[in-house]
Amino acid sequence: AAGVIQSPRHLIKEKRETATLKCYPIPRHDTVYWYQQGPGQDPQFLISFYEKMQSDKGSIPDRFSAQQFSDYHSELNMSSLELGDSALYFCASSLGTARTGRETGELFFGEGSRLTVL
Amino acid sequence: RKEVEQDPGPFNVPEGATVAFNCTYSNSASQSFFWYRQDCRKEPKLLMSVYSSGNEDGRFTAQLNRASQYISLLIRDSKLSDSATYLCVVNPSTGYGGATNKLIFGTGTLLAVQP
Repeated sequence: AAGVIQSPRHLIKEKRETATLKCYPIPRHDTVYWYQQGPGQDPQFLISFYEKMQSDKGSIPDRFSAQQFSDYHSELNMSSLELGDSALYFCASSLGTARTGRETGELFFGEGSRLTVL
Repeated sequence: RKEVEQDPGPFNVPEGATVAFNCTYSNSASQSFFWYRQDCRKEPKLLMSVYSSGNEDGRFTAQLNRASQYISLLIRDSKLSDSATYLCVVNPSTGYGGATNKLIFGTGTLLAVQP
């Protein structure tokens, strides 16, 4: 079965550069979530989208932005990168959200994009 | 204080042992609860949902105590392949009867099953 696809899997950038991560959700899943997991940390919710609209926001820095496109894929844009942005960035998808009443609470995670900022 | 707290371990157990992990959460309005498993440098994967009545899936048993805001996971007959980090995960309520899906993860409990 198709899973959540993330690209690139690994990315190395220098401080103050920009980076873009991509996420392709499971087909027919309409909700996408972004999580950040720093070294030795638990995943932290950044932001989510339902039907191409931002549905929830977590601890996403102002330097980061994200969007969901008409084909439901999502991109996380990170600018003015800092050393502390080095982390594993997970995208997850689900079918439905609390707003639709169809949420299941089960998220399917991609394999993650590892960002290293030098 | 973190919203979801777990003993980080590591729990080093021999094959065949029974091991139990505990987790407490602070938001009494939390809607749903899960155990996820995360292998080193890999993505979290859903192990099982946790229901109020308790539920079992093979060698794994999950329990929820809403009054004490406490969740547990019991693994029987541990296998080498069970070695991983087990994440206690809470799905907060929207306040309208649904869940936000803004999952809150515990820091995880590391299990190492020894041959």
